[in-house]
Amino acid sequence: DGGITQSPKYLFRKEGQNVTLSCEQNLNHDAMYWYRQDPGQGLRLIYYSQIVNDFQKGDIAEGYSVSREKKESFPLTVTSAQKNPTAFYLCASSTTGVAGELFFGEGSRLTVL
Amino acid sequence: AQSVAQPEDQVNVAEGNPLTVKCTYSVSGNPYLFWYVQYPNRGLQFLLKYITGDNLVKGSYGFEAEFNKSQTSFHLKKPSALVSDSALYFCAVRVFNQAGTALIFGKGTTLSVSS
Repeated sequence: DGGITQSPKYLFRKEGQNVTLSCEQNLNHDAMYWYRQDPGQGLRLIYYSQIVNDFQKGDIAEGYSVSREKKESFPLTVTSAQKNPTAFYLCASSTTGVAGELFFGEGSRLTVL
Repeated sequence: AQSVAQPEDQVNVAEGNPLTVKCTYSVSGNPYLFWYVQYPNRGLQFLLKYITGDNLVKGSYGFEAEFNKSQTSFHLKKPSALVSDSALYFCAVRVFNQAGTALIFGKGTTLSVSS
């Protein structure tokens, strides 16, 4: 079945450690996105990519990094510079037209101890 | 700045009654609007979208939304609520810049349907 796979679903890390969240899609979508969800704050855009080897910062990119070496993959690294990394992270993909809705993965919950 | 607002943190309705979840937007240019639903610890599921054309948009699970340009609103509606509709609902608007497009989301509205 076509879709978006995020892994791991749950992740625990110590403060100061970098962690990488995986996002893979087989929908043949050009665009991919990372959002962060905190209770009562909705979804906030971290990074997005419209095409391979290109990506743009969203509203809260500080302390995060991404790469887009393949169309299917858009991993997110949460670095030690991110002051409050505990959150639910959602990856999505879409076509690049204005009408294309986003398709979401099931999310990764990161807890920093 | 382009934005979307959901003025209610929570909406409570009884099963069988009609429901409305409110959304207002602020964009420059034509609005492209979306509604999503999220169940606990899951990703978001697409419900419906307004791109152009008919102001009443029909979507999944019996939901519909009415686009009102003069009031800059895009309220989500359902004629008869089900207990299984209880979830977190997000309104979103597409934003544009030189680098591409993304969706900006409201803070979400929790819908609680009682039996």
